[in-house]
Amino acid sequence: DQQVKQNSPSLSVQEGRISILNCDYTNSMFDYFLWYKKYPAEGPTFLISISSIKDKNEDGRFTVFLNKSAKHLSLHIVPSQPGDSAVYFCAASAKAGKSTFGDGTTLTVKP
Amino acid sequence: NAGVTQTPKFHILKIGQSMTLQCTQDMNHNYMYWYRQDPGMGLKLIYYSVGAGITDKGEVPNGYNVSRSTTEDFPLRLELAAPSQTSVYFCASSYSTAGNSPLHFGNGTRLTVT
Repeated sequence: DQQVKQNSPSLSVQEGRISILNCDYTNSMFDYFLWYKKYPAEGPTFLISISSIKDKNEDGRFTVFLNKSAKHLSLHIVPSQPGDSAVYFCAASAKAGKSTFGDGTTLTVKP
Repeated sequence: NAGVTQTPKFHILKIGQSMTLQCTQDMNHNYMYWYRQDPGMGLKLIYYSVGAGITDKGEVPNGYNVSRSTTEDFPLRLELAAPSQTSVYFCASSYSTAGNSPLHFGNGTRLTVT
């Protein structure tokens, strides 16, 4: 059973608009959630994280929202830029545990 | 700082052959990991290490072996390669296993077994 799910394999948005990437999880023991961004032929790079004791974390154009009761988190990118086009992975970890990754969402930002 | 360096970038292996994927990091991280990524899928943990001399299995360890003789290096060995091991392999390191300690990834090794 997949513990971290990204149900949208792809998302296309216009430059300047908001991109919203979603992630659902099943394990209530997860206490940290991270987003990674991956360009082709490169490794994933860390983007932003959120602790389970918070419901929002913001870093520049990127904001992550956590709804613990729904076991759902989302990454908002505002405004979206063509350079944001990449695969975004949601990951979750329990205390001192290893990260579990979703299958990723490919974001395309059109100029 | 080079970060996490993986070699080779690409390799084609024949069925039944063996090879070692190299990984080294210069951030003095104790924790290192090997993941594989199949097309359209997320990253699956193969093996991890919490320090020199200590390794443990992840989610998909069958067909692989690791060793950790130094803090810097964490090679992954494939014995008797099978087509199911065709994948992109990522090595990563982290400062700790705390949830807020992000992984630092190398650029991957794309392996084809044919």
